[in-house]
Amino acid sequence: DGGITQSPKYLFRKEGQNVTLSCEQNLNHDAMYWYRQDPGQGLRLIYYSQIVNDFQKGDIAEGYSVSREKKESFPLTVTSAQKNPTAFYLCASSRPGSGNTIYFGEGSWLTVV
Amino acid sequence: AQRVTQPEKLLSVFKGAPVELKCNYSYSGSPELFWYVQYSRQRLQLLLRHISRESIKGFTADLNKGETSFHLKKPFAQEEDSAMYYCALSSGGGADGLTFGKGTHLIIQP
Repeated sequence: DGGITQSPKYLFRKEGQNVTLSCEQNLNHDAMYWYRQDPGQGLRLIYYSQIVNDFQKGDIAEGYSVSREKKESFPLTVTSAQKNPTAFYLCASSRPGSGNTIYFGEGSWLTVV
Repeated sequence: AQRVTQPEKLLSVFKGAPVELKCNYSYSGSPELFWYVQYSRQRLQLLLRHISRESIKGFTADLNKGETSFHLKKPFAQEEDSAMYYCALSSGGGADGLTFGKGTHLIIQP
C-alpha cells in the first residue's frame, strides 16, 4: 500500500520531555515536509527537506529538529524548548514534476501535559 | 513574503445553493495555487490546482492575477461537500513547501 505513514497517531508526553514523530513514505518522493496544524491557524511549515542529508527551516522551526538520513524517512523531534507543543502534526512529501503537488500523511496528535 | 488569506472561517449554505470560498494571495512572482480539502476523519488531500484548469467534484477555481484571487466555486452544493478547505500557494520554485491559508469550514445544511 503506497503512501505516507505517520506514527504514532496519538502521543502523550510530560512537559520537559523530547518526543520524536515518525514519518515514512514509499512514494519515492525527494521532498518531505513537516507542518503543524492548529485550530484557526491553518497549516504552518516547520521544516522541509529537498534531498537526503539536507533540510531547511520553515516558518516555525524553533523548538523542533529533524533529520533526513534516508530518502523515505523524515522524523521530527519536538524538544522541550518548544513552548506550545500540543498540536496536530502533518508530514507530507512531493516529487519534482508533480506540479508541486504535496501529499499528506494522516497526522499525529501530540498532547503534552 | 508570500501570504494566503481566506477571509471566512466558517461558511454555511443550504444544499443545492451555490458555494464560493474566497482566497486571496500576495506574492511578487508567478504563483501556483491549490485548493486542499480535509473531510472529517480523513487526511488532507488535493482538490484542484490552477495549472490543471480542471473541475473536481463539481468545483472550479480560476486564478485572477489582477485581483490576486483564486476563489473556489460550485454551482450546487451537496451535503458531502462539508469539510475544511484550504487554499495554498507555491512560489513555483519547486520543493520548498506550500503556504496555506487558515482554512474555511464549509457546512452544507440539508
